[in-house]
Amino acid sequence: NAGVMQNPRHLVRRRGQEARLRCSPMKGHSHVYWYRQLPEEGLKFMVYLQKENIIDESGMPKERFSAEFPKEGPSILRIQQVVRGDSAAYFCASSPWPGTVYNSPLHFGNGTRLTVT
Amino acid sequence: KNEVEQSPQNLTAQEGEFITINCSYSVGISALHWLQQHPGGGIVSLFMLSSGKKKHGRLIATINIQEKHSSLHITASHPRDSAVYICAVRSSGATNKLIFGTGTLLAVQP
Repeated sequence: NAGVMQNPRHLVRRRGQEARLRCSPMKGHSHVYWYRQLPEEGLKFMVYLQKENIIDESGMPKERFSAEFPKEGPSILRIQQVVRGDSAAYFCASSPWPGTVYNSPLHFGNGTRLTVT
Repeated sequence: KNEVEQSPQNLTAQEGEFITINCSYSVGISALHWLQQHPGGGIVSLFMLSSGKKKHGRLIATINIQEKHSSLHITASHPRDSAVYICAVRSSGATNKLIFGTGTLLAVQP
């Protein structure tokens, strides 16, 4: 039973390019969370998605960032026109139950390290 | 002031020592997670607890809801325990929109 799979592990983009980060949740999990870890900082929540729905995007920057979790395929975090400040590790986690369930477990992926040059 | 505070920020121990990492939080919570992150690596969920105490192998996690405090203990520490340990809380009524501490960097020397 594969865990949460994120790819690529490392991504290098020049300023102004687009970055696409993919997350395949664990089998049977339909709830996905994205978190960002800036250098020398703690993790921060970005967005919570269910299949075809964005449940909570209160942690997403207002511009250039978007996320989706289609009916088929992985969840995608998309960053348009990347800037150096977007360089960070982006982690995805999945859960089998809604996040409002008090004991809803979380399983994390290995992250994508984005470097913007 | 951060809503989740961990101490110490850095910890060096000798192999075999008993280790304690502390986490204090200032919000009402429905659950608290302890996570482990190896340098450049992924994140592993060690514990999720909402009351009392949990044990897994050499790891023990406790939480005191009234005092808004949790501790992670490692018994008979080993160099392979070297990692960053992160405390994260889920505020009451919220989804898994976790609030994270900044982590404790543990180095266990042989």
